[in-house]
Amino acid sequence: QKEVEQDPGPLSVPEGAIVSLNCTYSNSAFQYFMWYRQYSRKGPELLMYTYSSGNKEDGRFTAQVDKSSKYISLFIRDSQPSDSATYLCAFRFSGGYNKLIFGAGTRLAVHP
Amino acid sequence: GAVVSQHPSWVICKSGTSVKIECRSLDFQATTMFWYRQFPKQSLMLMATSNEGSKATYEQGVEKDKFLINHASLTLSTLTVTSAHPEDSSFYICSARDLVGVQETQYFGPGTRLLVL
Repeated sequence: QKEVEQDPGPLSVPEGAIVSLNCTYSNSAFQYFMWYRQYSRKGPELLMYTYSSGNKEDGRFTAQVDKSSKYISLFIRDSQPSDSATYLCAFRFSGGYNKLIFGAGTRLAVHP
Repeated sequence: GAVVSQHPSWVICKSGTSVKIECRSLDFQATTMFWYRQFPKQSLMLMATSNEGSKATYEQGVEKDKFLINHASLTLSTLTVTSAHPEDSSFYICSARDLVGVQETQYFGPGTRLLVL
C-alpha cells in the first residue's frame, strides 16, 4: 500500500464549478497536512497548511482533514481558468526529519 | 509568503560537463533546504536535504558524488550535477524551510530546467 494515494486525473470542470481534490494516506504519524499548487514548468506554491482535523478556509479554498479516516481534501469554490494547474497534497511528521511526502498530484483543467 | 529564487531558470549543456544550480532564500534564513527533481507529469522526488554547515543527507538511490550539494550560508544552497549525461535532463526544484513560531513551511523555488545534449 502506498503511503499516499492521490488520483492523478486529469480533472476537467467548467468555470464556476466546485472542485474537490482528495488524498488518502496510510501513516497515522503524519501531523501536518498541506496542499500545493504547481503551474506547468513552475515550482509548487503553498496553498493551505493545517495540522488538525476539521476545516480551514482561505478565500475560495477550503482544506479539510479527517485524521480518523486518514483523508484530506481541498475544495475550490467558483473555480476559474486560472486555477488550472496540478495540485499536490503533502504530509509531514512532527519534529525530527522535515521531509515532505507528496502525493502524485492531480491535474485540474477549468474551461471557460 | 517567503520567496525562494533559483538560478539559472534553464540550462543546456553538453554531455560530460558540470552544471551548478543556485537556490536562495530571499527574505528569510533557511538552515535547511531541499533539492527535488521532477520528470514530466510526475510528482516531485526528493534527492537530498541540505543543512547549513554540514553534509547533505541524500535519499536512497541518489549518487552523492554525482549530485554535489553545498549549503554555504543560511540563504544559499547549490546543487552541482557533475559529468552530466542526457538521463540527468530534468526539472530541478529546491525548497527552503521557514520556521515561524511553531509553523514550519517549505517554500519552493521556480525550478531549473536542465537539458543535457
